[in-house]
Amino acid sequence: GAVVSQHPSRVICKSGTSVKIECRSLDFQATTMFWYRQFPKQSLMLMATSNEGSKATYEQGVEKDKFLINHASLTLSTLTVTSAHPEDSSFYICSAFARGGRRTDTQYFGPGTRLTVL
Amino acid sequence: GQQVMQIPQYQHVQEGEDFTTYCNSSTTLSNIQWYKQRPGGHPVFLIQLVKSGEVKKQKRLTFQFGEAKKNSSLHITATQTTDVGTYFCAGGPGTYKYIFGTGTRLKVLA
Repeated sequence: GAVVSQHPSRVICKSGTSVKIECRSLDFQATTMFWYRQFPKQSLMLMATSNEGSKATYEQGVEKDKFLINHASLTLSTLTVTSAHPEDSSFYICSAFARGGRRTDTQYFGPGTRLTVL
Repeated sequence: GQQVMQIPQYQHVQEGEDFTTYCNSSTTLSNIQWYKQRPGGHPVFLIQLVKSGEVKKQKRLTFQFGEAKKNSSLHITATQTTDVGTYFCAGGPGTYKYIFGTGTRLKVLA
């Protein structure tokens, strides 16, 4: 099946630093990727929609200057948490939609990145 | 904004018992997807329902999409310990943007 990878899987950083998380579709092209965050024992909250070659669309309440998204190619989207604070500690998960073919309309999730801000 | 609620929030069952989780959206959905997330893992796609009143089966799992396309259910027959996890529905007004439900955490007691 389709594979989406995320890197790093786990990161611990100091308050005030920036952290970049990569999301890659390994065996298909993804024109659209999504970024979610998930707090312990809670649901996934959609943060933003990342479109290849254009600006990301952020959900209400998500600061675009805080969570920078870049979708530079059809296989890579990055999320940068700028000036991270302890309240940004969470599980960040990306997902990707395949471009056409029989995989259309199915989201493939990455394994997630657990961010801990000290 | 759109809200997708699931009930129950938690369910503990004895192995062999049946289990059902219900998903209700505040708005009409284009389609609905179901995911399973094991503890410590990421959501794994189970199925997508598109048509009003649609019913799909996957072995012991039965998925249903309501006539009004605002609710859905997942029923597991004769649960097994491997069914443990959190089940999420996800729906949206459009094709690609999905809002996840609140989830139902299932524990199966051997």
